[in-house]
Amino acid sequence: DAGVTQSPTHLIKTRGQQVTLRCSPKSGHDTVSWYQQALGQGPQFIFQYYEEEERQRGNFPDRFSGHQFPNYSSELNVNALLLGDSALYLCASSLVGGRLSGANVLTFGAGSRLTVL
Amino acid sequence: KQEVTQIPAALSVPEGENLVLNCSFTDSAIYNLQWFRQDPGKGLTSLLLIQSSQREQTSGRLNASLDKSSGRSTLYIAASQPGDSATYLCAAPSGGSYIPTFGRGTSLIVHP
Repeated sequence: DAGVTQSPTHLIKTRGQQVTLRCSPKSGHDTVSWYQQALGQGPQFIFQYYEEEERQRGNFPDRFSGHQFPNYSSELNVNALLLGDSALYLCASSLVGGRLSGANVLTFGAGSRLTVL
Repeated sequence: KQEVTQIPAALSVPEGENLVLNCSFTDSAIYNLQWFRQDPGKGLTSLLLIQSSQREQTSGRLNASLDKSSGRSTLYIAASQPGDSATYLCAAPSGGSYIPTFGRGTSLIVHP
């Protein structure tokens, strides 16, 4: 049973560039959430996708956008990169039914480490 | 807005000790609370999830308790081992939300 897979694992960009990160959820999961984790901090919620729509969004600017595909995989796009966007980007998948019962265990991928120079 | 605080921020203990990691949250109207483990530079691994109707969950040497009324959760690690060295994160959603808010974690080092 494949878990959550993310790509790429590491990447380096320069200020002003754009980046796309990809995530494939755990088999059977239908919801994907993205988190940003700066060094020494807990993960911060960016947004969540379900049924190919953004369902909830955290306190992140419009430079952060996403997409969910019919096979439940997802992309995170960040435009006009800033130095402060350097972080570990984590994707987590879950099942909508789990939310309704309070048993929504999040399964995380290994993350994509973005460095902005 | 949910705020999650974890104490202590860092902990270094000899192998074999029993440990208590603390998590407090400001909004007690939560559906559940989840504990995660994170190894350096890696993703998060779910350890235990406690639903709002439960008071504790156990998995092997780990036991997590939840007291919603006081806004606290405790992760108890029995007979610690060097392989337990990692950062432990607590996450609780805001009232009415399914989106968890994370604490900054407790960095644990267990030395032989």
